Amino acid sequence: DTGVSQNPRHKITKRGQNVTFRCDPISEHNRLYWYRQTLGQGPEFLTYFQNEAQLEKSRLLSDRFSAERPKGSFSTLEIQRTEQGDSAMYLCASSLVMGPNSPLHFGNGTRLTVT
Amino acid sequence: QKEVEQNSGPLSVPEGAIASLNCTYSDRGSQSFFWYRQYSGKSPELIMFIYSNGDKEDGRFTAQLNKASQYVSLLIRDSQPSDSATYLCAVNLGKLTFGTGTRLTIIP
Repeated sequence: DTGVSQNPRHKITKRGQNVTFRCDPISEHNRLYWYRQTLGQGPEFLTYFQNEAQLEKSRLLSDRFSAERPKGSFSTLEIQRTEQGDSAMYLCASSLVMGPNSPLHFGNGTRLTVT
Repeated sequence: QKEVEQNSGPLSVPEGAIASLNCTYSDRGSQSFFWYRQYSGKSPELIMFIYSNGDKEDGRFTAQLNKASQYVSLLIRDSQPSDSATYLCAVNLGKLTFGTGTRLTIIP
């Protein structure tokens, strides 16, 4: 079990640039989630996939954010025209199936700093 | 009203004592509840989940659920300095919705 893998671990970018993060879930997990976490807050839901289908996207997510999960394996999260308010830890998590008791397994996160 | 509420702390507990962490939720339809531990700069890691009213024990940890009061708690017995972390309560509302977390410090 290699766990959930996220790359890069850290990303520093200038305001206005685009960034892309990658997440490789646990291989047999069919659900993949993206969360964002800022200091002193709990993880905030962004979007999730079941296999390759994006099933829900947070209303808080602006149209600068897009996520994909081609072929139902790894996922990418892209932020276009980054703003300083995008600075946060971006967490990816996966689960086998989101039945009531299916826990999420988190990756180590990608810390984004927008200067 | 927030969907999941926790006291942000910090909560300080002497080593060896019982730490009690509390969480309330607003949606009566919630079916399952999770406790995660998060060390500073690290990602959340699952401690345990509970879905039935009452207590569930796992080692030094006990989760308690009272659906009538919409209340979940986590007890940590024989607290150790290594238990110092932020504890996140999460509720299954179709996807996991997290509280802001309670920062726990165990004092040697």
